[in-house]
Amino acid sequence: GQQLNQSPQSMFIQEGEDVSMNCTSSSIFNTWLWYKQDPGEGPVLLIALYKAGELTSNGRLTAQFGITRKDSFLNISASIPSDVGIYFCARIIQGAQKLVFGQGTRLTINP
Amino acid sequence: EPEVTQTPSHQVTQMGQEVILRCVPISNHLYFYWYRQILGQKVEFLVSFYNNEISEKSEIFDDQFSVERPDGSNFTLKIRSTKLEDSAMYFCAATQRNEQFFGPGTRLTVL
Repeated sequence: GQQLNQSPQSMFIQEGEDVSMNCTSSSIFNTWLWYKQDPGEGPVLLIALYKAGELTSNGRLTAQFGITRKDSFLNISASIPSDVGIYFCARIIQGAQKLVFGQGTRLTINP
Repeated sequence: EPEVTQTPSHQVTQMGQEVILRCVPISNHLYFYWYRQILGQKVEFLVSFYNNEISEKSEIFDDQFSVERPDGSNFTLKIRSTKLEDSAMYFCAATQRNEQFFGPGTRLTVL
């Protein structure tokens, strides 16, 4: 119920390409978070989604909270070298306020 | 911009030794957390701390682990008798509402 399935596990793209990744869950919930982790660093919050159907942008990043409340996607447009890293989706377990993370999508960009 | 800081950045210890990992959360935040990330895996919740007591802990957080906030500033994670499998990145996080901010992590290596 609390598991998040994130795909793809890894992506190898050319600089300038667009990227799309997604997360699904078997249960519905109220918040989707997308984090990015650079090597040797802690996760950094990119986008937070709080309503089903919500579409939010942060620069070249766009994320949507699926209308069924069981999925979300993250798109990156016109990728650049600093987009390299691991992207995690996460959900908040209400009450406990803890985060449950997906397995991550490792993004590699060829210049 | 306020941030979560952690020390040390890297700790190497012998199996069976005690370690204390330190965090200075953002001062006006109310909830504090420790997460763990084994190399190449996802970030896993360990424990949450609110109002000077544990509010939730995972099955990973057994009797060998403890947390405290002794001086109202530092937030510590103690592992009493380290095991090889405790080797991981340990992240502290803090939140005021829904958005958790992570520290840079402490890499713990148990030999």
